[in-house]
Amino acid sequence: DTGVSQDPRHKITKRGQNVTFRCDPISEHNRLYWYRQTLGQGPEFLTYFQNEAQLEKSRLLSDRFSAERPKGSFSTLEIQRTEQGDSAMYLCASSPAGTKNGNTIYFGEGSWLTVV
Amino acid sequence: AQSVAQPEDQVNVAEGNPLTVKCTYSVSGNPYLFWYVQYPNRGLQFLLKYITGDNLVKGSYGFEAEFNKSQTSFHLKKPSALVSDSALYFCAVRPDSGAGSYQLTFGKGTKLSVIP
Repeated sequence: DTGVSQDPRHKITKRGQNVTFRCDPISEHNRLYWYRQTLGQGPEFLTYFQNEAQLEKSRLLSDRFSAERPKGSFSTLEIQRTEQGDSAMYLCASSPAGTKNGNTIYFGEGSWLTVV
Repeated sequence: AQSVAQPEDQVNVAEGNPLTVKCTYSVSGNPYLFWYVQYPNRGLQFLLKYITGDNLVKGSYGFEAEFNKSQTSFHLKKPSALVSDSALYFCAVRPDSGAGSYQLTFGKGTKLSVIP
């Protein structure tokens, strides 16, 4: 049983460049989430997909951020024109559909972004 | 909107002693409560959850947590701490239904240090 997989694990980019992160959720999970975590803080919700539909976006997700899940399987998170304030760990997570039994959200190892 | 407070940034405990990491929450409706652990430069690992039923829930690695509805608390406990328990611990909440039921809200985390 494979967990949530994220790629790349680390990315260093120059300010103004675009970056893209990929997430492969647990295979039977149709809900997928992106969170952002900065140093000394807990993860903050960015966006959520059920299958291919993006159902919610946080106000943290500025118009430079875009997330897709084209076939309801893997997802990408793109950040355009990166800024130093975007430096953070970007966490992907997945869970089964529905809230019955409080379905647990499982996280990947994260993708570290450093903008220089 | 939901929120989580972890009042202690750091908890130090001697190996073999019992440990407690505190968490209080605020949520509309009934809470689903979770504890996650994070090791350096890693993603979050699920430890345990409270959905309904017995107020004392048991999870991975010998951890347990006690749900107290009147005090809106969900403290993490372990009878005998190990050095390998040293990590960052996050409490999280989401409502069982309605708006926000698909996203977790995290506390800022508590760094646990177990001293040999």
